[in-house]
Amino acid sequence: AQKITQTQPGMFVQEKEAVTLDCTYDTSDQSYGLFWYKQPSSGEMIFLIYQGSYDEQNATEGRYSLNFQKARKSANLVISASQLGDSAMYFCAMSAHQGGKLIFGQGTELSVKP
Amino acid sequence: ETGVTQTPRHLVMGMTNKKSLKCEQHLGHNAMYWYKQSAKKPLELMFVYSLEERVENNSVPSRFSPECPNSSHLFLHLHTLQPEDSALYLCASSQATNRRVATNEKLFFGSGTQLSVL
Repeated sequence: AQKITQTQPGMFVQEKEAVTLDCTYDTSDQSYGLFWYKQPSSGEMIFLIYQGSYDEQNATEGRYSLNFQKARKSANLVISASQLGDSAMYFCAMSAHQGGKLIFGQGTELSVKP
Repeated sequence: ETGVTQTPRHLVMGMTNKKSLKCEQHLGHNAMYWYKQSAKKPLELMFVYSLEERVENNSVPSRFSPECPNSSHLFLHLHTLQPEDSALYLCASSQATNRRVATNEKLFFGSGTQLSVL
């Protein structure tokens, strides 16, 4: 069975500091994709970053980077230089078998302090 | 004009009402999804349409009835709902080829409809 686990229900970070949000996954598939989405209070899920299971380099998108450790089945999100607007729920998700059918974790609520 | 638009943003309905949620995407995608987000639970996939054909029905009760008249529009018809159906209902879209969505295709979501069933 496929599963995504986010063990941090809530996190606090000081503005301008870096923060790591944890995500571990479980799948027996060899080909899969890992995603991070941000959900502000408005409700919309905003795509942040993607990592493919065969990608050798860690994905980066601006201030977001994905620390992909395949042997440990972890895909942690690193946000550098946190901003107040980064306060939101963050979801890790996985696609396997067939894309589009994302499996989501419970989410981590990030609060950025001024 | 945002990529994926959902209406209404908020809906309150009684258990005997019939209502519909609407989703429209302006991204030229051909696959659309309904997800349910309940408090304290991960998002749950409900339905998938690819090239206007339903390809997934994730054991959703029959009181939820989806409709996809074309690749840009998706509806969720609701009738005789239960209070436990209260949740945020999110619509999403992506690109598919031959009804298959690649594992690297990201989904674009709308802002959701917050549904309360009294």
